[in-house]
Amino acid sequence: QLQLQESGSGLVKPSQTLSLTCAVSGGSISSGDYSWSWIRQPPGKGLEWIGYIYHSGITYYNPSLKSRVTISVDRSKNQFSLKLSSVSAADTAVYYCARGRVAAGYFDYWGQGTLVTVSS
Amino acid sequence: QSALTQPASVSGSPGQSIIISCTGTSSDVGDYNYVSWYEQHPGKAPKLIIYNVNNRPSGVSNRFSGSKSGNTASLTISGLQAEDEADYYCSSYTSTNTLVFGGGTKLAVL
Repeated sequence: QLQLQESGSGLVKPSQTLSLTCAVSGGSISSGDYSWSWIRQPPGKGLEWIGYIYHSGITYYNPSLKSRVTISVDRSKNQFSLKLSSVSAADTAVYYCARGRVAAGYFDYWGQGTLVTVSS
Repeated sequence: QSALTQPASVSGSPGQSIIISCTGTSSDVGDYNYVSWYEQHPGKAPKLIIYNVNNRPSGVSNRFSGSKSGNTASLTISGLQAEDEADYYCSSYTSTNTLVFGGGTKLAVL
């Protein structure tokens, strides 16, 4: 059974960089059939897709966040990561990592989510 | 890219059927049969219930079904049960290889 687990700092100061990692177990991140996404949900609000990466390293980002987002993959550790720069209170959210199906985009496995608060 | 449009809330009585709509554009919902639906209970991660417009993952009740016409996709839940009370989100692949979610619909089972 595939499992995804987010980890990283739960508190980030304004203007700094948010960093999260998603560890994948029970399957290989190198499979060409899947993409690996980050999705967030501000408290009490809806889901927002942040971006995804293929095992090859090709990335696609939400245009509204593109200038601040970097997603990378570490195949040796079977994990992928998110960096979001110049954060503000508006970036406070539960951040999920998820596995997506290539060229169809649906997310079949999700991590449990991790709350990141931006505050001084 | 703009979020897909969903009603903020819907409600129904146990045993009834409800439909949740998801309206996009010709660059997302209308352009691909890659609409998916997710169910989210409070404090939990979303769960995939429909993919590629009308396909159910293994283990998902056949009370959930999906369809699409033009730029609007729909989720139908038949035989409403108390456990169906949750938030529901649609998502679509887009012409720029990105993904977009709907704003979410809160389902109340009265």
